[in-house]
Amino acid sequence: GQQVQQSPASLVLQEGENAELQCNFSSTATQLQWFYQSPGGSLVSLLSNPSGTKHTGRLTSTTVTKERRSSLHISSSQTTDSGTYLCAIVSNNRIFFGDGTQLVVKP
Amino acid sequence: EAAVTQSPRNKVAVTGGKVTLSCNQTNNHNNMYWYRQDTGHGLRLIHYSYGAGSTEKGDIPDGYKASRPSQENFSLILELATPSQTSVYFCASGDGGANTGQLYFGEGSKLTVL
Repeated sequence: GQQVQQSPASLVLQEGENAELQCNFSSTATQLQWFYQSPGGSLVSLLSNPSGTKHTGRLTSTTVTKERRSSLHISSSQTTDSGTYLCAIVSNNRIFFGDGTQLVVKP
Repeated sequence: EAAVTQSPRNKVAVTGGKVTLSCNQTNNHNNMYWYRQDTGHGLRLIHYSYGAGSTEKGDIPDGYKASRPSQENFSLILELATPSQTSVYFCASGDGGANTGQLYFGEGSKLTVL
C-alpha cells in the first residue's frame, strides 16, 4: 500500500534559521498537502501542492510528482513555528499520512 | 468558509457504554474520513466514506462502526467502548480529485473511556 515517509523525524533550530522538511511517497498521489499541528491541537492546512512550487508567506513547497517527493521550506524560523509538520497524500480516494517532523525553534 | 465540525469535543465514557462521535461538513465534499491519533502511532484511519450511504473500512476498523446518512454528516460509533479506545479522534473531508483544493479537518474529539 501507499507509504509516506517524512524526514527528518525531528529538527531543532535557532530562531532565524531555515528549515527543510522532506516527504517521500511510494505511489501516485492525486493530491499532496502539508499540515501543521501544535501540541494537543488540530491539523491546520499550510499548503496544498500536488505538483510544482507554491509559496505562502515564509513557506515554500516543491513537489516533484515523477520522483514522488515533496519538500517544505520554512524561512527565517520563529519560535511559534514549533510543532509537528505532517505530509498527507491522497491516493485512490484515501488519505495517507507520514509520521511527521517535530520542529523545535529555540529563541 | 468551508468547515468541518465535530461533536462532542470532549467525552468521558464508561467501559461497555455506547459512544457516538459526529462530524458535519459544509464543503460539499464526497469523501469523509475518521482518524484516531495516539502518541507513537500518528494518525490512523478507522473508516471513510465516498458519499451518502457508503462506508468503507480503514486500517483499524475493529470496534468501530461508521454511518454516512447524508453528504454532510459522518458518524463514528463505538457500540461497546473500551479503555483502549481512549484517544483523540479527527474527522476530515476532501474530494480526492486530481486538482482538488484542500483537505479539511475538524478540531478533534477527545474521548476518555474509564
